[in-house]
Amino acid sequence: AQTVTQSQPEMSVQEAETVTLSCTYDTSESDYYLFWYKQPPSRQMILVIRQEAYKQQNATENRFSVNFQKAAKSFSLKISDSQLGDAAMYFCAYRNLNTGKLIFGQGTTLQVKP
Amino acid sequence: SQTIHQWPATLVQPVGSPLSLECTVEGTSNPNLYWYRQAAGRGLQLLFYSVGIGQISSEVPQNLSASRPQDRQFILSSKKLLLSDSGFYLCAWSVLTGGNSPLHFGNGTRLTVT
Repeated sequence: AQTVTQSQPEMSVQEAETVTLSCTYDTSESDYYLFWYKQPPSRQMILVIRQEAYKQQNATENRFSVNFQKAAKSFSLKISDSQLGDAAMYFCAYRNLNTGKLIFGQGTTLQVKP
Repeated sequence: SQTIHQWPATLVQPVGSPLSLECTVEGTSNPNLYWYRQAAGRGLQLLFYSVGIGQISSEVPQNLSASRPQDRQFILSSKKLLLSDSGFYLCAWSVLTGGNSPLHFGNGTRLTVT
């Protein structure tokens, strides 16, 4: 079974600085998709960024980028120029192509200090 | 555009009472549908997912059941609630094909079993 691990329960960053959130996963599949979701205090789940496993190029969305290391099964999220609105819980997720299931990690709570 | 509706937003129920949470999706056909539960400060646990009417896959043995009586309707039920059923329940949908399509989440239901 696939699993997703986020080893950092909490992280903090100074406003305008850069922070990296870690995620590792375990799978025997060769093709799959990876996602980062953000959950602010409102608890609404918001898609941040996605990555196709067959693409070597790391995905980027404005201030958010990933470092995808397929061999190491690592998928970290980098947030540049952190803003107060980035404070939230961040979830890494793995999607099985056959079933469509999305498996989440335990989340990392990010605090942004002014 | 597609929208997902989930209700109620908040629910307080006594132990042993029944439960029915409803989720509907508009603006799309044949979606994958999902029920997740999130314990306080924790990650999302997949409870059920459905790829079509009457097709339900259960991820964990529990006191809950799910049904999909219509294409865009997903219902989470229990005959007798337990204290351990308390949590935040999220419904989500995605397109049936295309692994990189993200899950779109409802606003969630906060269930407290007393």
